[in-house]
Amino acid sequence: SQTIHQWPATLVQPVGSPLSLECTVEGTSNPNLYWYRQAAGRGLQLLFYSVGIGQISSEVPQNLSASRPQDRQFILSSKKLLLSDSGFYLCAWSVGEYGYTFGSGTRLTVV
Amino acid sequence: GEDVEQSLFLSVREGDSSVINCTYTDSSSTYLYWYKQEPGAGLQLLTYIFSNMDMKQDQRLTVLLNKKDKHLSLRIADTQTGDSAIYFCARNYGQNFVFGPGTRLSVLP
Repeated sequence: SQTIHQWPATLVQPVGSPLSLECTVEGTSNPNLYWYRQAAGRGLQLLFYSVGIGQISSEVPQNLSASRPQDRQFILSSKKLLLSDSGFYLCAWSVGEYGYTFGSGTRLTVV
Repeated sequence: GEDVEQSLFLSVREGDSSVINCTYTDSSSTYLYWYKQEPGAGLQLLTYIFSNMDMKQDQRLTVLLNKKDKHLSLRIADTQTGDSAIYFCARNYGQNFVFGPGTRLSVLP
């Protein structure tokens, strides 16, 4: 069966520190992978998506970046976090148009 | 305005029906979806409807699609306290998806 793992579940980081959030998928090959951010009281904002290894599309210019070093691994990074980077980050995968499967999310608080 | 819109809050009494509404502007999507997000958790796909269908029923859930008015609704029959969550409407465009802002459903005893 297909599963998606996302970690850590919560993270508190100081302003200016680096960030690395990891997401891995099991039980599927060549999925489309996505990073979303959900700010408090707001909807979902697509940050990055990837249709294959090394292929990253950015939807919103910001100080975050994404990488896909392996088929089922998607990493969200930042060199220097800003206060505005606080939020709930969700990784998701899809194969075709039949909706996403989401990870359990990472709550990031930048202090 | 935004591509996919929803009212942000809905309160219903336990046992009543809940109707969560969604409107969208781009009618090119093949599928429309409803997701549920419980507190502190990721999103869970509840149901989806193909764009050439008018209605889909799945146990307590009924999805209605009015393509002419670009209106999608989710009806939850016999709403329970466990249905309290944020419900997101979404549509696909190619391999990506556009989400509404979410409707927070509160179920009152």
